[in-house]
Formats: sequence, C-alpha cells, structure tokens
Amino acid sequence: DADVTQTPRNRITKTGKRIMLECSQTKGHDRMYWYRQDPGLGLRLIYYSFDVKDINKGEISDGYSVSRQAQAKFSLSLESAIPNQTALYFCATSDGRNYGYTFGSGTRLTVV
Amino acid sequence: KQEVTQIPAALSVPEGENLVLNCSFTDSAIYNLQWFRQDPGKGLTSLLLIQSSQREQTSGRLNASLDKSSGRSTLYIAASQPGDSATYLCAAASGNTGKLIFGQGTTLQVKP
Repeated sequence: DADVTQTPRNRITKTGKRIMLECSQTKGHDRMYWYRQDPGLGLRLIYYSFDVKDINKGEISDGYSVSRQAQAKFSLSLESAIPNQTALYFCATSDGRNYGYTFGSGTRLTVV
Repeated sequence: KQEVTQIPAALSVPEGENLVLNCSFTDSAIYNLQWFRQDPGKGLTSLLLIQSSQREQTSGRLNASLDKSSGRSTLYIAASQPGDSATYLCAAASGNTGKLIFGQGTTLQVKP
C-alpha cells in the first residue's frame, strides 16, 4: 500500500456541487498538506495541518475547507465547485524534524 | 514572501549529455531545499533533500547543491538517459513552518 493514499483518483463534477477529496497516510507524520497544481503555475498550498487541532490556511484557501479527522486522515472539501477549481490536487505529509515530504498520487478534478 | 524560480522552463538534450537544472529562491531563511521528479499526470517523487546546513547531496547520477547566500540550488544529472525525461521541481521549506514553496518546474526531454 502507498504511504499516502488519495481518493478518488479522478472526479468530474458539476458547477455548484459539493465534493470531498480524501487523504490517508501510514507514515505516522503529524503534518499534512493539500496542494493544487495548475499548468504553468506549479504547486500552490491550500491548507496545512500540524496536528488534529492545528489547521492553517495556505496561499489559496478561498473556496476550500478541510477536516483533520485523525492523525492519519485529512480531507479537502469544495463547498460549491466552480470551473476554475479544475486542477490536480495533491495531499502530502512531512515529519516535524527534517521536513521531508511524501506526496500522494493526486486527484484529478474537473468541474464542468 | 518566498518566491522560487526555475530556469529553464523546458530543456531538450541528447542522451548521454550531462545537464544542470537551476533553482533560485528569494528568502535565504530556508530549512531545506528539496528536488522532486514528476512524470506526466503522476505524483511527485522525492529525489534529494538538502538541509540548510549542507552544501550538497548525491544520489546515483544526481547531485544537488545549495548556496543559501546567493539563493541558488542546482540539480546536476550525469549521463542523461531517456528515462530521465520528466518534470523536475524544486521547493524551499520555510524556516519557521516547514511549508514547501515550489518553483514552476523544468520539463526535461532526453532524446535517444
């Protein structure tokens, strides 16, 4: 099994729908992150969490929310999806010492 | 605010050539500098991590260097192979939080 698992792998949804992307990890890391990747823009940080009770906004958090259900689970929600949220979404974890990151395989989200 | 830039955006070389990918960052107060590989439509694979106190790291045909004073890192690939074709991303970890700020990537094509 992968260290960081994202579900679903691909999703097509309609404008205005609520959608949740899920992430689970077996690394035992406290820190978890959600990034989105757009062509030509690199990866940008949406939200990050240092533990279950510590959740922080990243540089592009508008339109998104997150939930840290347990140390190993961190989900990203789009309350009302819009087309410009079409992107590749990545979940990642890191330890609190070396900050070496492990990324999931990504969720390709298309909003039509 | 940390900004990370990678030059060139794309590179095409014949097989066997040695090459250098460049990464620059604006804030020298980093915790570490990381290089990742991304194959099309796939997740990120960690290649090398250089702590702020280190000058370089090596793994096989890859060597990454870090010069904090000038805000630069380079990834050297020796004897390139077609299997090295991918997008290479560098990312700087914030000194306070460990958040990764990514460059936009260099897409490498190695021709047989």
